[in-house]
Amino acid sequence: SQQGEEDPQALSIQEGENATMNCSYKTSINNLQWYRQNSGRGLVHLILIRSNEREKHSGRLRVTLDTSKKSSSLLITASRAADTASYFCATEGLRQGAQKLVFGQGTRLTINP
Amino acid sequence: NAGVTQTPKFQVLKTGQSMTLQCAQDMNHNSMYWYRQDPGMGLRLIYYSASEGTTDKGEVPNGYNVSRLNKREFSLRLESAAPSQTSVYFCASSFRVSGNTIYFGEGSWLTVV
Repeated sequence: SQQGEEDPQALSIQEGENATMNCSYKTSINNLQWYRQNSGRGLVHLILIRSNEREKHSGRLRVTLDTSKKSSSLLITASRAADTASYFCATEGLRQGAQKLVFGQGTRLTINP
Repeated sequence: NAGVTQTPKFQVLKTGQSMTLQCAQDMNHNSMYWYRQDPGMGLRLIYYSASEGTTDKGEVPNGYNVSRLNKREFSLRLESAAPSQTSVYFCASSFRVSGNTIYFGEGSWLTVV
C-alpha cells in the first residue's frame, strides 16, 4: 500500500515563483526523503529529514516535517526552468525492518519561462 | 565515478521470453534494490538485498528472481515475461538499508509484447 501521497499531482508556475509540494503519510516513520526525477532519468535524492527534525534546508530547498499531522512539505524558492521535474516523497517506516522506502506517486512540476 | 549502472537501457521482449537486467554500483554500498515504475503508481520495490549474500522480497516480487552476484552486482531476471511486466525498472543502492540516501540508476525501459 502506498504510504506517501503527494499533493498536488501537477503544478505549473512561472519562473521565479516559489513552488510548494506536500506529502502526507499514514504510519509512523523513521525518516522522510524527497527525490527529483527528470523526464526519462533516474531519481535523484534531494533531502532526508528524520522524524525528530522539523525543518531542513539545502540551497533553494526547504523541507518541513510535522509528525503530528503526518505530513511534509517541499518548498523550492525562486524557481528556475531547470527545476521542471517530478518530485517524490518517500517514507521509511518504523516497524518495517527499515528495509523499504515507500514512494508516493509524485508531483509533476512545470516551470514556465 | 559511474554510481549505479544498469543495462540494457531499452528492451522489447515477446511474451514468454526470459531476460536478465544487470546492475552494478561502484560506491561500495552494502544494500541494493530493484524497483519498477508504472504511470500513476510511483515506484514499487520488487526485491532488495540488504547485504552481500542476502535477498528479500519487496512489494511486487511475483514473476521475478534476483541474484546478488557480489557486493557490486545485483541482477533481476524475468523467467517468462508477461505484458504486465512492461515497465521502467530502476536499480538502486545505499550504504545500508536504514536511514540512508538511495542512489538510482538511469532506468531500463522494458516492453513485453
